[in-house]
Amino acid sequence: DQQVKQNSPSLSVQEGRISILNCDYTNSMFDYFLWYKKYPAEGPTFLISISSIKDKNEDGRFTVFLNKSAKHLSLHIVPSQPGDSAVYFCAASNGGSQGNLIFGKGTKLSVKP
Amino acid sequence: KAGVTQTPRYLIKTRGQQVTLSCSPISGHRSVSWYQQTPGQGLQFLFEYFSETQRNKGNFPGRFSGRQFSNSRSEMNVSTLELGDSALYLCASSRMRQGNTEAFFGQGTRLTVV
Repeated sequence: DQQVKQNSPSLSVQEGRISILNCDYTNSMFDYFLWYKKYPAEGPTFLISISSIKDKNEDGRFTVFLNKSAKHLSLHIVPSQPGDSAVYFCAASNGGSQGNLIFGKGTKLSVKP
Repeated sequence: KAGVTQTPRYLIKTRGQQVTLSCSPISGHRSVSWYQQTPGQGLQFLFEYFSETQRNKGNFPGRFSGRQFSNSRSEMNVSTLELGDSALYLCASSRMRQGNTEAFFGQGTRLTVV
């Protein structure tokens, strides 16, 4: 049973446009959500996070939105750049413990020049 | 400051052998977790260590084990290797177990079982 789902395996966006990556979760006990970016043959790199007490968190070009009632979060990248091309993972944790992250299967973002 | 260091980066082993992977967390980080990444299953949690004690364990067979030392460095061991154990093994460290603090990942160890 997949508790964190990223239903789009891939996304292609034109440079300069907005990229929207989506993530759904089923466990209402999750209270902290993170987005990671991963290049091939490297470990995931932390991008941005959000606590369940917030509905939005912004860091430069990256904004994460959380809709608790829908159990849905999204990552917006504006404007998208070719260097953003990577696999993006959504992750969630329960009870504030970062030692056990539940990951989605990732969305491969391609930003075309 | 130095990031999470995993050694070795690449490893080829034969079925039935055992393997030990090493992880040095970021200085000051006391929580170390291990994940397995495969193309079909994505990133799956193996176990978490904090203060030399295993705090959480994922749904993996007993062939997978680990430990953490007093300096927070961690090792994981896989015995009686199977072809399906071929994966990228990732280690992540964080300052604390709880609270909203992100986990930082190493580059991983690519294990190939032949």
